Amino acid sequence: EAGVTQSPTHLIKTRGQQATLRCSPISGHTSVYWYQQALGLGLQFLLWYDEGEERNRGNFPPRFSGRQFPNYSSELNVNALELEDSALYLCASSRRTATNEKLFFGSGTQLSVL
Amino acid sequence: QQQVKQSPQSLIVQKGGISIINCAYENTAFDYFPWYQQFPGKGPALLIAIRPDVSEKKEGRFTISFNKSAKQFSLHIMDSQPGDSATYFCAALVFGGYNKLIFGAGTRLAVHP
Repeated sequence: EAGVTQSPTHLIKTRGQQATLRCSPISGHTSVYWYQQALGLGLQFLLWYDEGEERNRGNFPPRFSGRQFPNYSSELNVNALELEDSALYLCASSRRTATNEKLFFGSGTQLSVL
Repeated sequence: QQQVKQSPQSLIVQKGGISIINCAYENTAFDYFPWYQQFPGKGPALLIAIRPDVSEKKEGRFTISFNKSAKQFSLHIMDSQPGDSATYFCAALVFGGYNKLIFGAGTRLAVHP
């Protein structure tokens, strides 16, 4: 069974540009989560999608947005990139149960903003 | 707002020793406490988890100790091995809430042979 896949592995952008990151969940998983992993800050919750709807978002500005497609894959968009957006962006998926406790993470997209 | 505080930031242990990582939380509504392990270049993977109705859970060399009154929990790695060298994250979740898993800042563990 394939795990969570993310693309691209690395992404280099300049300030003010837009970045698009993609995630394919494990087959059968309907929930997709996005986390930002900046150095020394752990994993910061960005967004949660389930059944195509945004269910929750973390304390990030509106220029961080995304969507979930009918096949449950997801896209994270970051507009007007700033230097501090440089981080590893992790996608995770889980089954939609009453207790979504087990997240399966992809290997992430390393975004560098120059 | 950091709701889960993790310490130490880094830890060096000799092979065969015990590694101990501590976490403290503020929100008493948390009802699930997992630990994730992350190797370089990989995403985190669930290692072991505990619910607040038990004080300890053991899986192989990994043990979670939970102190509900102190709002603290810790990961103990017995007989630490070089292959355990990784970053460890504690986390907490409120069931039935907004499914937002809150992570600690992480502990980088190095086990020296």
